Order: sequence, then C-alpha cells, then structure tokens
Amino acid sequence: GEDVEQSLFLSVREGDSSVINCTYTDSSSTYLYWYKQEPGAGLQLLTYIFSNMDMKQDQRLTVLLNKKDKHLSLRIADTQTGDSAIYFCAESPYSSASKIIFGSGTRLSIRP
Amino acid sequence: GAVVSQHPSRVICKSGTSVKIECRSLDFQATTMFWYRQFPKQSLMLMATSNEGSKATYEQGVEKDKFLINHASLTLSTLTVTSAHPEDSSFYICSALDRGGYNEQFFGPGTRLTVL
Repeated sequence: GEDVEQSLFLSVREGDSSVINCTYTDSSSTYLYWYKQEPGAGLQLLTYIFSNMDMKQDQRLTVLLNKKDKHLSLRIADTQTGDSAIYFCAESPYSSASKIIFGSGTRLSIRP
Repeated sequence: GAVVSQHPSRVICKSGTSVKIECRSLDFQATTMFWYRQFPKQSLMLMATSNEGSKATYEQGVEKDKFLINHASLTLSTLTVTSAHPEDSSFYICSALDRGGYNEQFFGPGTRLTVL
C-alpha cells in the first residue's frame, strides 16, 4: 500500500543546513510535497516537486528526488529559529487533486 | 495564496454532544474539500473527501454516521461529530481544492476538539 516514512526528530545549530529525509513506497506518485506545521496551526505548503524532476530549488529550500530509491529530501540552508516546526513529507498517488498521503512528520529544533 | 478558514479554532464539549466544524474557502470556489484528523505527534489521516452537491466519500474505517459531512456550497463544508466521546478528541484539519489555480489543496488552520 501507500506509505511515507520519515525520521521523527532533527536538531541543528542555527546557521547550519538542515536536511530532512523521506522515503515513500508508491511508485506511481505524481506529486511529492513538503509541508510545514507550526504549533497549533494548520499546514503550510513549502514546496512540491513533480515525479519527473530530480531537483527543485526555491530560495533557502532545495528538494532532491531520487525516484529509483523512492527517496525525497528537503534541505534548508542557513537554518533560523523561525524554521522550528514539524515538516511533513507527502505524496499524491495520482494528482494534486487527489488525496494526499502524509508521513509522520519530522520535528526540527534549532539550537543556538 | 488561497485562504481556507475553519471555525471554531478550538472547542470543548461534554461527552454525548454533537459538534459542528466549518471549513470555508475564502477567495476561491472549491468543489472538493478534504477532512483530515491528526492525533498528537502523529501524521494527518484522511477521513473523507467532500464533494459539493453530492455525498462524501469516506476512507476505510471512518464511520460515516458518526462524522457527518455536508458540502452544500462551493465555499463551505461542515463536519459534524455526532455523540462525541473522549476518543474523538483530536485536531481536525480541512483542505480545499482550488481547481481554478494550481489545482492544489489549501489547508485550514485546524480545529482542536476536546471531549470531556
């Protein structure tokens, strides 16, 4: 079935880069997403990548996709305290109009 | 970007009562809305897909008679938790699909339900 897995916690020093990893099982995934959730709030779409792309960069964010290994990563350059949140990896099996399968989320904490 | 609101943001109720949660797309029309449930420190689990003017499609294991969904207009979907019990306490998040834009789901801020 469809499954998305990611590590639960990540701690980085302010100013360093954060890399959050994710693996998924559905080879038919079309869209792969990264969402950010701050305490008590809903989800904010950070970025997404189509399955036919290898990389996407948007300011401090870089998404890498290894379709062969079904591995997705999110790199946040120059991590700031405002980046503290839970980051969810997610995928849509068919299109962005269909249901989204979420990972369990990675809690990113920033230390001074 | 497109904005989705939820009301209320937080609700506390007694066991056995029913609670209605509203999800509104503020600046776009949404023929499809999704309802998710999130337990503490866990991921979002899709409960149902709400289509305007038709019956909602529920995911396996979700009781449709307990979680009533109504999508009566292109900007409003409601989730009613009937005869709520403490195990229904959770964070409920809706999303609305903007087909007119990037065909993307936009998420509401969530509703924290606590059943005493």
